[in-house]
Amino acid sequence: DVKVTQSSRYLVKRTGEKVFLECVQDMDHENMFWYRQDPGLGLRLIYFSYDVKMKEKGDIPEGYSVSREKKERFSLILESASTNQTSMYLCASSPHGPSSYEQYFGPGTRLTVT
Amino acid sequence: KQEVTQIPAALSVPEGENLVLNCSFTDSAIYNLQWFRQDPGKGLTSLLLIQSSQREQTSGRLNASLDKSSGRSTLYIAASQPGDSATYLCAVNLSNYQLIWGAGTKLIIKP
Repeated sequence: DVKVTQSSRYLVKRTGEKVFLECVQDMDHENMFWYRQDPGLGLRLIYFSYDVKMKEKGDIPEGYSVSREKKERFSLILESASTNQTSMYLCASSPHGPSSYEQYFGPGTRLTVT
Repeated sequence: KQEVTQIPAALSVPEGENLVLNCSFTDSAIYNLQWFRQDPGKGLTSLLLIQSSQREQTSGRLNASLDKSSGRSTLYIAASQPGDSATYLCAVNLSNYQLIWGAGTKLIIKP
């Protein structure tokens, strides 16, 4: 079974702190994704990566950065956390190949910024 | 711009009923469509993936259909159970990288 793990299930941080969210997948997938999920808005793509050290902006990259130094690990960084970044963050991975491949999701990290 | 809509936003039905969840999208140029389930406070579990060339997919009590020309997909759940209570999300795949998501239907099955 594909396994995508995220470093924390719940996280509480203060405004202005630097926050790291870690995601690890064990299926040698090339693609990895970071989404945020807010009530009524559905999932929105923040960043994705299609290979080590490669990244592309999604729909809402402002206030975030990412790092992919190893194939299995994709990190989301909030340089200076703000209250409007309080949300559920979901990581996903998928293999390269035809666009038919599906994305596999981690359990999510619920981040609260106070 | 592709938009995905799920109606209703919430649904409550008695146990044992058959039910249909709806998903509509504005642009028929999709690669595939996925249905996901999300339990409260948890991540997403993929239920069914329908390729753009397919009309339906089945898994156990679940059946998903796709009509690209009309921009619609349905998720049919037979003989619903309390354990089916969750939020159901649909997403259309525009490319290898990009999924466009509906906001979900929150389903409650009453014992």
